[in-house]
Amino acid sequence: SQTIHQWPATLVQPVGSPLSLECTVEGTSNPNLYWYRQAAGRGLQLLFYSVGIGQISSEVPQNLSASRPQDRQFILSSKKLLLSDSGFYLCAWSGTIGNEQFFGPGTRLTVL
Amino acid sequence: QKEVEQDPGPLSVPEGAIVSLNCTYSNSAFQYFMWYRQYSRKGPELLMYTYSSGNKEDGRFTAQVDKSSKYISLFIRDSQPSDSATYLCARNSGYALNFGKGTSLLVTP
Repeated sequence: SQTIHQWPATLVQPVGSPLSLECTVEGTSNPNLYWYRQAAGRGLQLLFYSVGIGQISSEVPQNLSASRPQDRQFILSSKKLLLSDSGFYLCAWSGTIGNEQFFGPGTRLTVL
Repeated sequence: QKEVEQDPGPLSVPEGAIVSLNCTYSNSAFQYFMWYRQYSRKGPELLMYTYSSGNKEDGRFTAQVDKSSKYISLFIRDSQPSDSATYLCARNSGYALNFGKGTSLLVTP
């Protein structure tokens, strides 16, 4: 069966510090991968998606970036965090793009 | 107008009640609908999906799609305290899913 991992689970970072969140998927090949941010009262905001290694599409212009160095690894990064980057970051995968997605446990980021 | 609209609640019901959760959507181009359940501080979990109009049943859960009114519903029979969570509806939109903001449900013993 497929599983999706995210780490760290919780992160507290000062404003201006860098960020690296990691997501890995097991039990499937060539998944479509997604990064979302969930802020209180604002629902799920799609940040990036990837259909293959090195292929990244950005949905929202901001100080975040994503990379996919391996088939089942998806990384979310920032060079300098802003207060507004605080939130719950979720990674998801799907077998067929546009179909149901399966979410990881999430990373709760607090920027102080 | 947001693609998928959902009443945020909170919705509070006694244990054993039938719960009705609803969403409306605005774009008829894509016809694949999903319901997710999200417990506090956890990732969303896929509950059900349906490609077409009509009902789909899975245990105590029934998903219903009414394309004529662009309305999707999730019914929970014999609700349990463990059903207390936020329920998100979603609709496919090409490469992505459009999510509602979620309805918070509390089932009291």
